[in-house]
Amino acid sequence: KAGVTQTPRYLIKTRGQQVTLSCSPISGHRSVSWYQQTPGQGLQFLFEYFSETQRNKGNFPGRFSGRQFSNSRSEMNVSTLELGDSALYLCASSGGTSGRGSTDTQYFGPGTRLTVL
Amino acid sequence: KNEVEQSPQNLTAQEGEFITINCSYSVGISALHWLQQHPGGGIVSLFMLSSGKKKHGRLIATINIQEKHSSLHITASHPRDSAVYICAVGGNNNDMRFGAGTRLTVKP
Repeated sequence: KAGVTQTPRYLIKTRGQQVTLSCSPISGHRSVSWYQQTPGQGLQFLFEYFSETQRNKGNFPGRFSGRQFSNSRSEMNVSTLELGDSALYLCASSGGTSGRGSTDTQYFGPGTRLTVL
Repeated sequence: KNEVEQSPQNLTAQEGEFITINCSYSVGISALHWLQQHPGGGIVSLFMLSSGKKKHGRLIATINIQEKHSSLHITASHPRDSAVYICAVGGNNNDMRFGAGTRLTVKP
């Protein structure tokens, strides 16, 4: 099976712009979670989607949003970019069989490294 | 105080040594994950456990729910084990909370 893919792998934007990142989960996986990783804050949970529904959202401002399509592919969007949004954005998919993304083994994509200038 | 604490932050070992990384948490959890991150960013899930002990090759993970503590052990360490090891707890609301990571360097 192909692994989790994320596009683009690298992205450079300027403050005030918006960005959309894409995640394609492992075939058959219905849960997709998004994470932000920065040197200062480490890994932080953004949100989790299951069958096109957001099941939980982390403590991030409303500029961070996401969605999941019927084929389980997911996108996240960050509007009005700030310098502090520079980070590695990771998505992870899981089978969702337990009913909770946090109790399934998660398979991570390679990440999208976003730089905001 | 962070909800998930890992120790040590950095660890240097000689090849062949037995290694232990500890994780303590202060929140209710549904599962605990051990992750491995190599330079470049890729993350691999090593274990997910909610009780007891799991073993995979030279890696062993244990969890004590009452004490809210988990350990990751690496037997006969090898330079290729050099990576950052991250403890993550799965909350009851589908969220995940992460420790700061332990940077392991195994010298030949």
